Amino acid sequence: ETGVTQTPRHLVMGMTNKKSLKCEQHLGHNAMYWYKQSAKKPLELMFVYSLEERVENNSVPSRFSPECPNSSHLFLHLHTLQPEDSALYLCASSRERGMNTEAFFGQGTRLTVV
Amino acid sequence: KQEVTQIPAALSVPEGENLVLNCSFTDSAIYNLQWFRQDPGKGLTSLLLIQSSQREQTSGRLNASLDKSSGRSTLYIAASQPGDSATYLCAPLNDYKLSFGAGTTVTVRA
Repeated sequence: ETGVTQTPRHLVMGMTNKKSLKCEQHLGHNAMYWYKQSAKKPLELMFVYSLEERVENNSVPSRFSPECPNSSHLFLHLHTLQPEDSALYLCASSRERGMNTEAFFGQGTRLTVV
Repeated sequence: KQEVTQIPAALSVPEGENLVLNCSFTDSAIYNLQWFRQDPGKGLTSLLLIQSSQREQTSGRLNASLDKSSGRSTLYIAASQPGDSATYLCAPLNDYKLSFGAGTTVTVRA
């Protein structure tokens, strides 16, 4: 248990569906991250939030929409996804953005788009 | 852009053998480097964080070294056990981002 909790653990959705992934941390961290891990590829950073403000968007398609209502919660809203978006989506948090802080990851949400 | 390479891609050893996992990165201007473990289909578990000013960090049977100037880090696992079977990822931090390699998948045979 890392202190970062993701729900749901597994999600199957159709290409016309709308769903949301949730991430919660009670570590008192100020930075939160979404990563995508596709089969046979390294983790890719999607979004970074620092003190609830989005500070990074790594050219992610608009069908992925993040939301950070407070420093403990992070959402990833999904709509009209494609089969190639099937992947493991990982949330992480750290005390501050960058510098000498350790990142902690959740268990991930395994997303399958059919 | 930081590029991270991990060698070997896969490793299979008998129980009790020591493991040596190598990581190289192209941009040496890093703040720190983390080693993670990932079990199949699961999230990442942080193993060690080594600061850019440090040469070495130890936790139990794990020891990580860092040669920042040459862009290399090595993770040593002593006296391997079947429970050490997993994928190991190194991630240097620079420009406020963690960059990941493809990992080394370790199998420890009982």
